Amino acid sequence: EPEVTQTPSHQVTQMGQEVILRCVPISNHLYFYWYRQILGQKVEFLVSFYNNEISEKSEIFDDQFSVERPDGSNFTLKIRSTKLEDSAMYFCASSDLSGRGEQFFGPGTRLTVL
Amino acid sequence: GQQLNQSPQSMFIQEGEDVSMNCTSSSIFNTWLWYKQEPGEGPVLLIALYKAGELTSNGRLTAQFGITRKDSFLNISASIPSDVGIYFCAGQLSTGNQFYFGTGTSLTVIP
Repeated sequence: EPEVTQTPSHQVTQMGQEVILRCVPISNHLYFYWYRQILGQKVEFLVSFYNNEISEKSEIFDDQFSVERPDGSNFTLKIRSTKLEDSAMYFCASSDLSGRGEQFFGPGTRLTVL
Repeated sequence: GQQLNQSPQSMFIQEGEDVSMNCTSSSIFNTWLWYKQEPGEGPVLLIALYKAGELTSNGRLTAQFGITRKDSFLNISASIPSDVGIYFCAGQLSTGNQFYFGTGTSLTVIP
């Protein structure tokens, strides 16, 4: 069964450093998303991406964040200058061409900012 | 952002018992999803609901889209130890693609 994959599984970085989190969505999906989950809390939406542009973003997704689809398979989230409060699980998700319905999540990247 | 409240917050039940949990909001949603999350893993989609009043099953799991469109319910029958995890509801508005997640219900099944 097709699945969303993410790398790395765990990223440790120093405050102020840039990080890039990578995702390979399900191959025939056209809508891509990033969510985050701070330890012990609910999942929060960051951004959605369709047709090579951001279609929606939350107030969490400020100028420090950016997303990119650099090739036909990868979808990346960049945090330009990490802060301690960026420590969280980051989940990539994808949905099919309708974009209105089931979103399938990857296993997540645990980001630890020291 | 939208507030989706799930209850109960946690449940401790004996293996074999049935489980009921719900998710409520002040907003009207067009789609409800139910996910299960185990420690250190991503949410796994269990059931999707698209119409008010819809009742959908996936094995021992049954979920309903509330008639008011402001709530949804998940039932698990004859619980087993592998049902342990956190169950999240997620709602999608008529505009936009993002899902708003609930606060979660933590389920512990005692063998």
